[in-house]
Amino acid sequence: EAGVAQSPRYKIIEKRQSVAFWCNPISGHATLYWYQQILGQGPKLLIQFQNNGVVDDSQLPKDRFSAERLKGVDSTLKIQPAKLEDSAVYLCASSLWRGETQYFGPGTRLLVL
Amino acid sequence: AQTVTQSQPEMSVQEAETVTLSCTYDTSESNYYLFWYKQPPSRQMILVIRQEAYKQQNATENRFSVNFQKAAKSFSLKISDSQLGDTAMYFCAFMDYNQGGKLIFGQGTELSVKP
Repeated sequence: EAGVAQSPRYKIIEKRQSVAFWCNPISGHATLYWYQQILGQGPKLLIQFQNNGVVDDSQLPKDRFSAERLKGVDSTLKIQPAKLEDSAVYLCASSLWRGETQYFGPGTRLLVL
Repeated sequence: AQTVTQSQPEMSVQEAETVTLSCTYDTSESNYYLFWYKQPPSRQMILVIRQEAYKQQNATENRFSVNFQKAAKSFSLKISDSQLGDTAMYFCAFMDYNQGGKLIFGQGTELSVKP
């Protein structure tokens, strides 16, 4: 069974530029999560989808971050415009349903200069 | 709000020895799950073990076992017969089922296994 796929693996941008990350969850997983992991810290949830609906986006900085999950499968996370403090690893995870074990992708490391 | 605390930023152990990583959490909920995830330098977060709060029996997965003390809100991970491949950052995580299943992570413990 294929795991969670993410791309790109690395991205370097200048501040105020925009960037987008892509995630493909495990087949059949209804719930998808985006976490932000700043260096030296544990991941923090940005947004959670159940199929193509948003369950929790309370920690998403909505003035610059947006996310969508079209057709309840793939998801994209966008940052526009990026700030220096957005430098982090962005992890995507999926689970069969809410409350089930989450499986993580390899992450995307973002560096904002 | 739930919090997870890992008080050991770094630990080291000799190959083949046993090591215990500590984790405490704070919650007023009774129905929840606890996890240990491993994150090697490749950054892939890998599930190590899962414990349901309603189960009194401690979970085990091969060389990995937990000591779950619900009253003390403690959830430690024991790694037996440590191997070089166990070198990684270890995160303790809490999930409140009634809050949609999001994970709340501790700060992590960096474990080094020395030959």
